[in-house]
Amino acid sequence: NAGVMQNPRHLVRRRGQEARLRCSPMKGHSHVYWYRQLPEEGLKFMVYLQKENIIDESGMPKERFSAEFPKEGPSILRIQQVVRGDSAAYFCASSPTQRGASYEQYFGPGTRLTVT
Amino acid sequence: GENVEQHPSTLSVQEGDSAVIKCTYSDSASNYFPWYKQELGKRPQLIIDIRSNVGEKKDQRIAVTLNKTAKHFSLHITETQPEDSAVYFCAARGNDMRFGAGTRLTVKP
Repeated sequence: NAGVMQNPRHLVRRRGQEARLRCSPMKGHSHVYWYRQLPEEGLKFMVYLQKENIIDESGMPKERFSAEFPKEGPSILRIQQVVRGDSAAYFCASSPTQRGASYEQYFGPGTRLTVT
Repeated sequence: GENVEQHPSTLSVQEGDSAVIKCTYSDSASNYFPWYKQELGKRPQLIIDIRSNVGEKKDQRIAVTLNKTAKHFSLHITETQPEDSAVYFCAARGNDMRFGAGTRLTVKP
């Protein structure tokens, strides 16, 4: 059972370009969470999604950032018109359906975004 | 929403000593409290967790305690080893999961 997959692992973008980060949850997991981690800092919650639904996006900036988790395919975090302050590690985590009351979140390896 | 505070931000101990990291949370509805270990450049790894119907849980050298009344929980690492050096994050889950700011633990050989 493959773990949470993220790609790309490293992404370099110039200011003003778009960044697309992908996350494939663990098999059997239907909940995806995105976190941002600045150097030497903690994990900041951004958004929580289930298939085709955004459950909680309270941690996501209102502009330039969007996330989706389509019925088929990976979850995507999209950052438009990137700025230097967007440079960070972006981690995705997945967890099983909550009907089983399983809350464990398992993290992917992260995507390190560098904006030049 | 949930607010999690974690202390200390850095902790240095001698190999073989114990290390204790403490967290407090604000949402009384929170019922799941995991701890993650993150080594430099790596992903956070779940090392232990506890649910609100349990006061203490132990796994070898790692233990976690939970005081629901006071809304705080702690991670205890005994007989620390250099490979325990990492950043440790606590988290609390009610309606959503919120993480503490992290504790950088250094174990000196």
